[in-house]
Amino acid sequence: GQNIDQPTEMTATEGAIVQINCTYQTSGFNGLFWYQQHAGEAPTFLSYNVLDGLEEKGRFSSFLSRSKGYSYLLLKELQMKDSASYLCASGGANNLFFGTGTRLTVIP
Amino acid sequence: GAVVSQHPSWVICKSGTSVKIECRSLDFQATTMFWYRQFPKQSLMLMATSNEGSKATYEQGVEKDKFLINHASLTLSTLTVTSAHPEDSSFYICSTTGETQYFGPGTRLLVL
Repeated sequence: GQNIDQPTEMTATEGAIVQINCTYQTSGFNGLFWYQQHAGEAPTFLSYNVLDGLEEKGRFSSFLSRSKGYSYLLLKELQMKDSASYLCASGGANNLFFGTGTRLTVIP
Repeated sequence: GAVVSQHPSWVICKSGTSVKIECRSLDFQATTMFWYRQFPKQSLMLMATSNEGSKATYEQGVEKDKFLINHASLTLSTLTVTSAHPEDSSFYICSTTGETQYFGPGTRLLVL
C-alpha cells in the first residue's frame, strides 16, 4: 500500500528556518518529490531526492533517508511569499503518490 | 521544465450538463498525461492516466463513463465531466511527465 504522513499545519516567523517532515511507506520507491502549492494554484516542483542525503537548492534543501522512509524540506530565510502548502510525493515521474500537504504560514 | 496549459481556468455549470477541460503540452510532445482532482484542503488525487492513441487508465473508484478522457494528439488531452453534479465541484489539474511531473494551472469547476 501507499502512505505518506506530513504535519497538517505549521507556522514560522519571517527570516527564520523551518523544517517540514515527511514519512512514507510506498511500494516501488523511485524517488521523493517536494512541491509547493499556493492557494488556488497548481503545484510547482521544488526538489527530487532518489539517493540518501541532502540536496541544497538556494533557500530550499531536501533530505532523504531511504532506510528510515523519511524526508524533510528545509526552508531558510523565510519570506512571506513562502506561505503555501508543501506536498511530499513519492514514486516516479509516471506514478506519483501525494501526501495531504503541510500548510505553512509565515508571520511577520 | 515543461509548459502545460489548461482551459478553461474556471467554469460554472448547471447540474446535469457536461463540461470539457483541455490540457495542452506547449513545448514538447507528451505521450502520457495525468488528471488529478483536488478538493479544498486536501491533496491531489490521481484520477486517470491519459495515453496518446489508446484508452486512459483510471484509478480505482473513478467512473470511466462519467469522466471521459481523450488523448488524440501528443499535445492535447481532454477531460469531459459528463452529467456533472454538485459533488463534482473541485479543482482539476493535469500534468505531463518528464524528469518529474509538470502541472497545468488547474481548472476550477463549480456545479450548481
